[in-house]
Amino acid sequence: GNSVTQMQGQVTLSEEEFLFINCTYSTTGYPTLFWYVQYPGEGPQLLLKVTTANNKGSSRGFEATYDKGTTSFHLQKASVQESDSAVYYCVLGDRYAQGLTFGLGTRVSVFP
Amino acid sequence: EAAVTQSPRSKVAVTGGKVTLSCHQTNNHDYMYWYRQDTGHGLRLIHYSYVADSTEKGDIPDGYKASRPSQENFSLILELASLSQTAVYFCASSAYRVEQYFGPGTRLTVL
Repeated sequence: GNSVTQMQGQVTLSEEEFLFINCTYSTTGYPTLFWYVQYPGEGPQLLLKVTTANNKGSSRGFEATYDKGTTSFHLQKASVQESDSAVYYCVLGDRYAQGLTFGLGTRVSVFP
Repeated sequence: EAAVTQSPRSKVAVTGGKVTLSCHQTNNHDYMYWYRQDTGHGLRLIHYSYVADSTEKGDIPDGYKASRPSQENFSLILELASLSQTAVYFCASSAYRVEQYFGPGTRLTVL
C-alpha cells in the first residue's frame, strides 16, 4: 500500500527565517504528491501539487521538489511570516487508490 | 462561497446513540469522501463514493455506514456511537480520484 512519512512533528521559527519540511513516501502506483495546509478550525486546503511529469511545484511563496530516486518530497519557503503558522501535510495521491494518504503533519509556528 | 459544507459543525452524542453527519458540495464532483482526524494518526479514509446511490469502504470502515442519495450529498452514519469514535470528521470532494477539496469539519464528541 501507500505510505507517507513526515519526521518533523513541530517546527518553530522566527519571521523571515527559512522553512524546510522533509517528507518521504512509498508507493507501487503512479503518484501525485501534494502539500495541504490546515489552519485552526478549518479543513485541509490544497497548497500545491506535483506530478511525476514535473518534479517541482510552487504556490504562495512555497516550493516543493519531488525526487523519484529518493522518494522524497520536500516543502520549503525562503522567508516565513506569522500567517504561515499552520499544520502542513504531505499527501500522496494515486489514481488507482481509493483516496489520499496523509502524513501525520508538521505543525509550523512562526513568531514575530 | 464555500464549495463543501458540513453539518453540524459540532455535536455531542451519547454512547450507543445514532449519529448522522452530513456533507453537501457544489463543485459538481463525482467523488466524495469521509475522513476522520485523530491526534497521532493524521487523516484516515472511512468511506467514499464515486456515484450517487453507491458507496465504498475505505481504510477504516468498521462502525460506520455511508449514504450518497445524490451527487451533491454524502452522509456518514454511526448506528451505535462509541467513545472511540470521538474525532473530527472531514468530508471532501474531487473530480477524479486525486485532487480533493475539503469541508470545514465536524467535531464529534461521544460521551
